[in-house]
Amino acid sequence: GDSVTQTEGQVTVSESKSLIINCTYSATSIGYPNLFWYVRYPGEGLQLLLKVITAGQKGSSRGFEATYNKEATSFHLQKASVQESDSAVYYCALSGSGTGGYKVVFGSGTRLLVSP
Amino acid sequence: EAAVTQSPRNKVTVTGGNVTLSCRQTNSHNYMYWYRQDTGHGLRLIHYSYGAGNLQIGDVPDGYKATRTTQEDFFLLLELASPSQTSLYFCASRGQGWNTLYFGAGTRLSVL
Repeated sequence: GDSVTQTEGQVTVSESKSLIINCTYSATSIGYPNLFWYVRYPGEGLQLLLKVITAGQKGSSRGFEATYNKEATSFHLQKASVQESDSAVYYCALSGSGTGGYKVVFGSGTRLLVSP
Repeated sequence: EAAVTQSPRNKVTVTGGNVTLSCRQTNSHNYMYWYRQDTGHGLRLIHYSYGAGNLQIGDVPDGYKATRTTQEDFFLLLELASPSQTSLYFCASRGQGWNTLYFGAGTRLSVL
């Protein structure tokens, strides 16, 4: 079936250091998956951080980047220099495209703690 | 800005209790979803709806009912709550032709 794997449950990074959160996916029933990163700040719901709908493309937002790597089936999230305000839970997800993409499959989430 | 409001934000009930979680969206979105979030698991889809009066079964529907009374309002019902339903519940909406979800802030439910 379709699945998303985030191997790290929690990541701790010092402020101004670089970050990578790993995400791999398997899309057996979705032919052309769209890939997403959502973020959940404390006390809030999930919100879209970035999405990429075409393999080989890179998405970016708020200093975060992720590249849709179809060969490696990966969509890792990176940031060159994290800030304390980036502390949150990050979810990788995949979906079909357009109106047929009702089903969104989420990873288990990675909690990012940024230490001052 | 899309708006999805969930109530209550926190709820405690006892085993066998009756609970209703509410969700209202003011985005004029057709699609609404109920997810549960548990440690070590991604968000898991309970039920979803294409519009008022429509209900579709998700991936983990057992023990849950849902009802979409209007385009804006989607309710999740636990008629005989069990401790296994202790979780963080999210409601989300999505517009026709788009696959970005807009989430509420969540309802934390504890079943004792």
